[in-house]
Amino acid sequence: SQQGEEDPQALSIQEGENATMNCSYKTSINNLQWYRQNSGRGLVHLILIRSNEREKHSGRLRVTLDTSKKSSSLLITASRAADTASYFCATDPNSGYSTLTFGKGTMLLVSP
Amino acid sequence: GAVVSQHPSWVICKSGTSVKIECRSLDFQATTMFWYRQFPKQSLMLMATSNEGSKATYEQGVEKDKFLINHASLTLSTLTVTSAHPEDSSFYICSARPPFLREGSYNEQFFGPGTRLTVL
Repeated sequence: SQQGEEDPQALSIQEGENATMNCSYKTSINNLQWYRQNSGRGLVHLILIRSNEREKHSGRLRVTLDTSKKSSSLLITASRAADTASYFCATDPNSGYSTLTFGKGTMLLVSP
Repeated sequence: GAVVSQHPSWVICKSGTSVKIECRSLDFQATTMFWYRQFPKQSLMLMATSNEGSKATYEQGVEKDKFLINHASLTLSTLTVTSAHPEDSSFYICSARPPFLREGSYNEQFFGPGTRLTVL
């Protein structure tokens, strides 16, 4: 069964606005990762946050993790049209050799 | 670094034929590769985990004889869809994971660009 559930399913914003996507999961994790997928393409790893971390930044990306609520959020600041893509969270129950479980994703549309 | 390629990018075949998809890690050795299937506007569903030199581990509900996986080298894994049918039409994505001993590695996977399979 799907571990991660993102919301919203789809999000439409204007360039320059911030976009926030949320991910909830059910079981304990070692780390949570966010990926981006352009239409018809493979996934690109964006950021990884470990279970003992609460917040992480990478450029215009900000990820938070609340293990007590089993949720994470991805914030993209000052969005650009090029940020248009689907965004997936993936949970890793154990570091190392476990498999990732992907959520259903959020489709983000950034209009010029 | 950490580039994964897939070949072909897209393929159209007749029902009943077999199709082979290649996944290569171009600049690192991947002891483990993963094969995913993705339907339109849906998430990735893990089909199998491929370990170099051993048999693949299939997820529940995935037919081993239907989706043959071979991981003969540290840089190449292949997925063969045998006797393909229209319901096998999908987007197939592979990913590769560098060896665990790589400093800072935390189960990060690098994805190929995907292969669009259409079975007529």
